[in-house]
Amino acid sequence: GESVGLHLPTLSVQEGDNSIINCAYSNSASDYFIWYKQESGKGPQFIIDIRSNMDKRQGQRVTVLLNKTVKHLSLQIAATQPGDSAVYFCAETGARGSYIPTFGRGTSLIVHP
Amino acid sequence: GAVVSQHPSWVICKSGTSVKIECRSLDFQATTMFWYRQFPKQSLMLMATSNEGSKATYEQGVEKDKFLINHASLTLSTLTVTSAHPEDSSFYICSARIQGAISTEAFFGQGTRLTVV
Repeated sequence: GESVGLHLPTLSVQEGDNSIINCAYSNSASDYFIWYKQESGKGPQFIIDIRSNMDKRQGQRVTVLLNKTVKHLSLQIAATQPGDSAVYFCAETGARGSYIPTFGRGTSLIVHP
Repeated sequence: GAVVSQHPSWVICKSGTSVKIECRSLDFQATTMFWYRQFPKQSLMLMATSNEGSKATYEQGVEKDKFLINHASLTLSTLTVTSAHPEDSSFYICSARIQGAISTEAFFGQGTRLTVV
């Protein structure tokens, strides 16, 4: 079924640590996945994406891992900085054929200096 | 990257009045725009897909007579919350994709905070 919005879990880390944010997606037919960062009072900002024919993709300080068997995505942030504090959402698309992002429930990342 | 702009960024209105929110693609044309609603500490929920020159497609449970969507040009979609009530208070966010682009990336506006008193 469709992902349903729930209250946000929180991940607290120390500055400089690596962060891992997890996401379970709902539709096995989804073939394109995106991670967004949302700062307070702002719209989502694109971080990194991955297609279903890949299981890993790296960007600058970020890595996305995709496990289609268990419908799981993760976002790894290396050397986390206070500016990384935000809510992170995964979104899945492609199952409906028109690539409308369907958002997961999100994780609040708090980075302590 | 492409820029999507919403106006206003925030609005406070009295219960029973109507509020219009604009979503513009500033440097690209968008055949399709999307409207989301986000309650505090929750995820973004798709409300409707706005199609240029035709009627919007609403998600199940979203009242089309309450949330009027108009997509009159390739760079502008508007969402009008009619007869707003306090329960309509929320963060409304639009997004758009570049017309004809191979990329499936959607670009998001900065959101509009609606408070109904």
